[in-house]
Amino acid sequence: DAGVTQSPTHLIKTRGQQVTLRCSPKSGHDTVSWYQQALGQGPQFIFQYYEEEERQRGNFPDRFSGHQFPNYSSELNVNALLLGDSALYLCASSPGLGGPGVRDTQYFGPGTRLTVL
Amino acid sequence: RKEVEQDPGPFNVPEGATVAFNCTYSNSASQSFFWYRQDCRKEPKLLMSVYSSGNEDGRFTAQLNRASQYISLLIRDSKLSDSATYLCVVNPRSSNTGKLIFGQGTTLQVKP
Repeated sequence: DAGVTQSPTHLIKTRGQQVTLRCSPKSGHDTVSWYQQALGQGPQFIFQYYEEEERQRGNFPDRFSGHQFPNYSSELNVNALLLGDSALYLCASSPGLGGPGVRDTQYFGPGTRLTVL
Repeated sequence: RKEVEQDPGPFNVPEGATVAFNCTYSNSASQSFFWYRQDCRKEPKLLMSVYSSGNEDGRFTAQLNRASQYISLLIRDSKLSDSATYLCVVNPRSSNTGKLIFGQGTTLQVKP
């Protein structure tokens, strides 16, 4: 049973560019959340998607946007990249009713490490 | 004040030692609590969920004190493989909806 997968694993961009990160949730999971983890810090919630809609959003600017597809996979887009956007971007999925896994738990993918130069 | 606060450490302990981490949270209405483990440059992985009065899983025991708004993690008989960062995590809601709020993490280094 495949876990949460993310692509790419690493990415290098320059200031002002745009980036798209991708996530496929664990089989049977219908909710996808995105987090940003700066070096030495805990992950910070960006937003969560359910039924192809943004259900909740953290304290991130509109440069951060997302999408969820009918197969529950998701994308995170960041426009006008800043040096401070350099971080590990984590995707987490949660089980729907009857889905596999512990209720109330989010399962994380390996992350995409973004470096902005 | 941070929503979830942890002592970042590092905690350096010998193999076989017992070590305890504490975490405090600011939202008294928080419903779900977790400890995640994160190895260097890897993703966080669920270590334990903490419900009501706490629970135990082998060498690991988690306790929740709602009145004082703190969560603890006790590791007995530490192994070299326990070396990692331990993240205290709070979900203000009781379902899998909504965000997880992470502490900064506490680094544990177990020495031979």
